[in-house]
Amino acid sequence: SYEVTQPLSVSVALGQTARISCGGNNIGSKNVHWYQQRPGQAPVLVIYSDYNRPSGIPERFSGSNSGNTATLTISRAQAGDEADYYCQVWDSNIVFGTGTKVTVL
Amino acid sequence: QVQLVQSGAEVKKPGASVKVSCKASEYSFTAYYIHWVRQAPGQGLEWMGWINPKSGDTNYAQKFQGWVTMTGDTSISTAYMEVSRLGPDDTAVYYCAREGKSSYFFDYWGQGTVVIVSS
Repeated sequence: SYEVTQPLSVSVALGQTARISCGGNNIGSKNVHWYQQRPGQAPVLVIYSDYNRPSGIPERFSGSNSGNTATLTISRAQAGDEADYYCQVWDSNIVFGTGTKVTVL
Repeated sequence: QVQLVQSGAEVKKPGASVKVSCKASEYSFTAYYIHWVRQAPGQGLEWMGWINPKSGDTNYAQKFQGWVTMTGDTSISTAYMEVSRLGPDDTAVYYCAREGKSSYFFDYWGQGTVVIVSS
């Protein structure tokens, strides 16, 4: 089955840029989606199909996907961005990444 | 505003079954697939399967085949997910989520239902 790996944690200084990777074999050929999950809450879609933002998601969130790595970028990080982030693809079935905890320092 | 509202927390004994509901509102229930995802304490998201509310067709992740059943009642716009033969490893938050139109991503999620399995 297809596997997707993410770093366990990423730290970013307030106002700086965080980059979260999502690795998988030739993941660039797939559509990658990203979810933010704050503690005790349900996940929220922040990027779909590699780089598209749903309505209501700040422009500070962006995505890219090429080769074996997809990336979620959070610009001008805010305290409210502290959360777990999951990437997700479809490969015969739904596959979630392992999740990354983002800490804003 | 699209909403998915799930049933309340459950505490079950090992070997029992649990049925979680997910009531949809403010959109056409039969037009979008509903998926179920679970999250064990301190763990990541685990996809369980989907149901097409219009046809009743289902597709389960291999791990859950044979002991998870997904159904829907179009008359009340509600999807259900039943887990049988519960074990302690089934302690988790269970989420329903709406799949965007033929997109394989989830644009709306329920608030989650806590299921605790304990003797």
